[in-house]
Amino acid sequence: QLQLQESGPGLVRPSETLSLTCTVSGGSISSTRYYWGWIRQPPGKGLEWIGSIYYSGSPYYNPSLKSRVTISVDTSTNQFSLKLSSVTAADTAVYYCARLTGDSTFDYWGQGTLVTVSS
Amino acid sequence: QSVLTQPPSASGTPGQRVTFSCSGSSSNIGSNPVSWYQQLPGTAPKLLIYTNNQRPSGVPDRFSGSRSGTSASLAISGLQSEDEADYYCAAWDDSLNGVVFGGGTKLTVL
Repeated sequence: QLQLQESGPGLVRPSETLSLTCTVSGGSISSTRYYWGWIRQPPGKGLEWIGSIYYSGSPYYNPSLKSRVTISVDTSTNQFSLKLSSVTAADTAVYYCARLTGDSTFDYWGQGTLVTVSS
Repeated sequence: QSVLTQPPSASGTPGQRVTFSCSGSSSNIGSNPVSWYQQLPGTAPKLLIYTNNQRPSGVPDRFSGSRSGTSASLAISGLQSEDEADYYCAAWDDSLNGVVFGGGTKLTVL
């Protein structure tokens, strides 16, 4: 059974860079059938797609976040990562990693990790 | 403001049938498959419907999806108390070149 697990700091200072890693187990991140993505959910609000990446690279991002986001993949560790720069309180959210199928369906999700931006 | 529009709330009584709407445009629902997610309180979203009307293994057939034009719908029949959750629709958007979500509908089982 495929599992995804987010990890990283739960508190980030304003203007700094948020960094999270998603570890994939029970399957290979190098599968040619899937992309891998990040989604976030501010407290009490809805879901927002951040960006996605293929195992060979070629990330694509939400235009509203593109200038601050970097997503990368490491096939040797079966992980992919998110960096979000110049964070503000508006970036406080639960961050989820997920597997993305060819028809843009997120079929497996991590449990999510809360990241709070505060000094 | 979400790209896909969902009513913020819905309610029903046990055993009833409820439907949720998701309205989009020609660049998303009108030309790409729709998926639906269920988010129980305090948990991660779970895939409920993919490719407009397909159920993943393990999802009861009480849940069904459909798409017509630039709108999609999720129906739950035989409503149960454990169905109380937030429901989100999503689709690829050709103009934004990314995945867009609806704002979610909170279902209350009375």
